[in-house]
Amino acid sequence: NAGVTQTPKFQVLKTGQSMTLQCAQDMNHNSMYWYRQDPGMGLRLIYYSASEGTTDKGEVPNGYNVSRLNKREFSLRLESAAPSQTSVYFCASTHGTGYEQYFGPGTRLTVT
Amino acid sequence: AQKITQTQPGMFVQEKEAVTLDCTYDTSDPSYGLFWYKQPSSGEMIFLIYQGSYDQQNATEGRYSLNFQKARKSANLVISASQLGDSAMYFCAMRKRADKLIFGTGTRLQVFP
Repeated sequence: NAGVTQTPKFQVLKTGQSMTLQCAQDMNHNSMYWYRQDPGMGLRLIYYSASEGTTDKGEVPNGYNVSRLNKREFSLRLESAAPSQTSVYFCASTHGTGYEQYFGPGTRLTVT
Repeated sequence: AQKITQTQPGMFVQEKEAVTLDCTYDTSDPSYGLFWYKQPSSGEMIFLIYQGSYDQQNATEGRYSLNFQKARKSANLVISASQLGDSAMYFCAMRKRADKLIFGTGTRLQVFP
């Protein structure tokens, strides 16, 4: 039981490049989330998926797109990376209301 | 607007002592949940404790307890018998609709011998 896994762990991009962050969970959770964490700040929600086939915007969705590929997988895409997207990205999932969110180990992204 | 406030950027505590980390929240929803997460220097987010808005009793999990004062809109984390391994960032978070979380800015706890 791996929990929530994320790939890659680290990535360096040049401004304007694109990339996809992958996330998978093996806990049969319906809801999945993408957060970013900037220095000195808490996590902020980028996008979430309440169930397979649905996605919705969070607090800071600009510059990102997501895909809920199936119940297990939820990917985050940066179409044209900008230095302001330098951050640590966390994927999370939960069984539902009243349950904790389980977090992946994070992806540290640097955009130069 | 829904908001989480952690006013202590840093706290120091001696090993084996108790420490309280403050968290206040703002919401108009009658149904909400409050979480505490620990983030060690390695970076992962570790769930510690949860309190539902309708729970009558304060939540406890081992050395962690949540001092929930609904009228004051506070949800302070109490760590008893601090250990060196408790040194980390601690985040308070509130559950919104669709189980989305909003986080405070965190408190860095340092435990010294």
